[in-house]
Order: sequence, then structure tokens, then C-alpha cells
Amino acid sequence: GQQVMQIPQYQHVQEGEDFTTYCNSSTTLSNIQWYKQRPGGHPVFLIQLVKSGEVKKQKRLTFQFGEAKKNSSLHITATQTTDVGTYFCAGAPGNQFYFGTGTSLTVIP
Amino acid sequence: NAGVTQTPKFQVLKTGQSMTLQCAQDMNHNSMYWYRQDPGMGLRLIYYSASEGTTDKGEVPNGYNVSRLNKREFSLRLESAAPSQTSVYFCASSLRQGVTEAFFGQGTRLTVV
Repeated sequence: GQQVMQIPQYQHVQEGEDFTTYCNSSTTLSNIQWYKQRPGGHPVFLIQLVKSGEVKKQKRLTFQFGEAKKNSSLHITATQTTDVGTYFCAGAPGNQFYFGTGTSLTVIP
Repeated sequence: NAGVTQTPKFQVLKTGQSMTLQCAQDMNHNSMYWYRQDPGMGLRLIYYSASEGTTDKGEVPNGYNVSRLNKREFSLRLESAAPSQTSVYFCASSLRQGVTEAFFGQGTRLTVV
């Protein structure tokens, strides 16, 4: 079964609004990665989090890893049309990454 | 530097036909993976190869076989295609399994009729 759950499945926002996607695992993760897939494209690596409570920022994107290393979030501030795509988390409970179901983001101009 | 190259990009098969999806990486990565992507299901791991000479089943291996031909190449074979195997298939590679980022190929869109 799915080891890593991700919500919401879909999100529509007006351009300029914020967006958050959440990733949850029933088991402790050694690390977690985030990927972005543009429509019709392939997943592209964004970032990796390893430490408990870690927070990393990439311009308007903020990534967090939970204290218990069982959950993570990606927050986008002031979305732009270039943010459109599906965002996946991938968690490693052991020596293998399991991808979440993804959150498809639509940005309405 | 091409990264991960998959062929073909598109394929239509009839039920019962067989085919092999090819994947090659030029990044000297140790680990390679095959995923399938279906709407609402995310990316599900079919098979992986942690290092040259080893292969292991992932989450959804039934109906597939793989070959790690050498360090660069990892192929996926459908022996008798079924409509349930209609999907987008991605090959990926990483330097170290479960540790480093994965680089994905462009994908193969497979339709089984």
C-alpha cells in the first residue's frame, strides 16, 4: 500500500495566493525529497530534507520536515503561473524512496 | 550530457504483445529505477536496481521483468501486455539508493488496447 500520503490531491489558487501541500508517513523517515512535475513533463528534484525540524527555503518556496520525521510540507508564497504543476514528496523509511500521490496545483491568472 | 534517456517516447500495443522499454544514464549512477504513473496514484515503483548486477521488486512488479544490462542501462520488459498496464513509465537513476536525488527520463506513454 501507499507508504507516503499527500494532501490535497488538487488545489486551485488565484495568482498571488499562497499554496501548501502536506506529506505524511506512518513510519519515521530517514529523509524526504520534493519534486515538481510540469504538465506533460517528468519529475524534477527540488530539495532534500534530512534533519528533524529542518526548514529550507528556495525563493518563494519553504520546505519543512517535522520534528518526528513523519511529515513534511511545501509552502509557496504568492503563487505565479510558473508554479503550475504537480508537486510530489518522496519519503525514505529505509533504503528506498516512496512517492506520495502528488498535489496538482493550478494557478488562475 | 544527456542524463537519463528513455526509448520509445510513445507506444501502442495490442493485448498480449510484448515489448521492452530501454533506459540509459550517463551520470555514472549506481542505482536505477522504473516507475509507472497513473492518475491519482502518484509514482509507483515497479523494479529497481541498487547497483550493477542486482535487481529487486518494488511496489507493483507483477507483469514486468527487468534487466540491468550494465551500469548504464536498465530495461523493463512486458511479456504479455494487458490494458491495466496502460500508463506513463519513467526510468530514473540516482547515485545512491535512498540517499541522493533521482534524475528522471522523459517518460514513455504506453497504451495497451
